[in-house]
Amino acid sequence: AQSVAQPEDQVNVAEGNPLTVKCTYSVSGNPYLFWYVQYPNRGLQFLLKYITGDNLVKGSYGFEAEFNKSQTSFHLKKPSALVSDSALYFCAVRDINSGNTPLVFGKGTRLSVIA
Amino acid sequence: GAVVSQHPSRVICKSGTSVKIECRSLDFQATTMFWYRQFPKQSLMLMATSNEGSKATYEQGVEKDKFLINHASLTLSTLTVTSAHPEDSSFYICSARAPSGYPVHYTGELFFGEGSRLTVL
Repeated sequence: AQSVAQPEDQVNVAEGNPLTVKCTYSVSGNPYLFWYVQYPNRGLQFLLKYITGDNLVKGSYGFEAEFNKSQTSFHLKKPSALVSDSALYFCAVRDINSGNTPLVFGKGTRLSVIA
Repeated sequence: GAVVSQHPSRVICKSGTSVKIECRSLDFQATTMFWYRQFPKQSLMLMATSNEGSKATYEQGVEKDKFLINHASLTLSTLTVTSAHPEDSSFYICSARAPSGYPVHYTGELFFGEGSRLTVL
């Protein structure tokens, strides 16, 4: 079975400070990991993904995420937060070898960047 | 531009009526689409997997007679909420998985529609 945990419902950070949104996962095989962002009353937008290769993945809007196999984590990071980064962030996982199964999403973390 | 289009974005209906939500894949043929429901306190719940030309696969606890899914073509899946009640009020989001052969850096990711907010009075 696949699962994702986002342990924080809410993350608050001051503008200009670094931000981290945490995600841990569980799959039986090798993971296919994603981060999506959702703005109010909108669909989800793809930020970045990890399949294989470099553990540090760079994505849209200056975000990056680090895959850590030993800790089964895929935390989302940004060196300097912007007020416009305030949104709902979802981590998702799929087993690479699971065929056409859907992504499993975490419950989401609301990021609030304060000016 | 949008890769997946969802319509309507907002709909208000009376209790007992049926509402249809359309999800169109604009940029590729999607053999599989997914329907999600998002509850007010953030969580995104997978309702069903829509397969072109065959019956949808529903997640446990989702009433297939209540939420009718039709995937009649490779670019269109529809969700019909039948005999809607106030508790069906929610934000419904569809998504399509890019097929192999789509630009490599997109392969395997989901493209999401903008969502449809249903309010049942």
